[in-house]
Amino acid sequence: QSVLTQPPSASGTPGQTVTISCFGSDSNVGSNPVHWYQHVPGMAPKLLIYRTHQRPSGVPDRFSGARSGTSASLAISGLQSEDEARYYCATWDDKLSGLYVFGSGTDVTVL
Amino acid sequence: QVQLHESGPGVVKSSETLSLTCTVSGGPISGNYWAWVRQPPGKGLECLGHVFSTGRTNYNPSLESRVTISIDMSRKRFSLRLTSVTAADTAVYYCARLGCNGESCYDAYYYYSMDVWGTGTTVKVSS
Repeated sequence: QSVLTQPPSASGTPGQTVTISCFGSDSNVGSNPVHWYQHVPGMAPKLLIYRTHQRPSGVPDRFSGARSGTSASLAISGLQSEDEARYYCATWDDKLSGLYVFGSGTDVTVL
Repeated sequence: QVQLHESGPGVVKSSETLSLTCTVSGGPISGNYWAWVRQPPGKGLECLGHVFSTGRTNYNPSLESRVTISIDMSRKRFSLRLTSVTAADTAVYYCARLGCNGESCYDAYYYYSMDVWGTGTTVKVSS
């Protein structure tokens, strides 16, 4: 059972915008920056967004993060076939003795 | 460029201890957190715990009695030990750095994110 809740799946056609939500609580999303990871099967996860809004070098600006209260979101605009992957939100949980926790993951399908 | 490499047995017998090591190359081991993450078949990512370069550890409460993460600064590596394994511990295990993405984290733990990952190693628990 993940501490952070995400919808199991999301989909869109090429060029559309897909938004993935991440629901937490005051001790995690409500208090700390949120990070997002892209995980393609068979490969290592990749950091997509850090400190809620920031993109690592090389990540396209089609990916953007936001947070409001105890929920966060990842938007993928101009959806491309290469964006098919599982996406995870993550943050630190102050109630769990400062443990880094992941969301349940969302599978994005490009139709 | 920092790289991580996991090593350890691919098969562990049920009730025995799983031991993995992650070797850090291309950068310092100090000043960062070092974590173990796993993905059981068909499931999501789970952080087992992490160790700061000072040796301070945090463990997932669901595993706390079975998991130990340690760090060896001189050899630039950190290790995972998981005791009394069962089939539920079969997974791909990743080591990862919780770092600052080339910026300052201002001594704030919450700014650290998993910016470097190992390629992962599959561990199967056999009966």
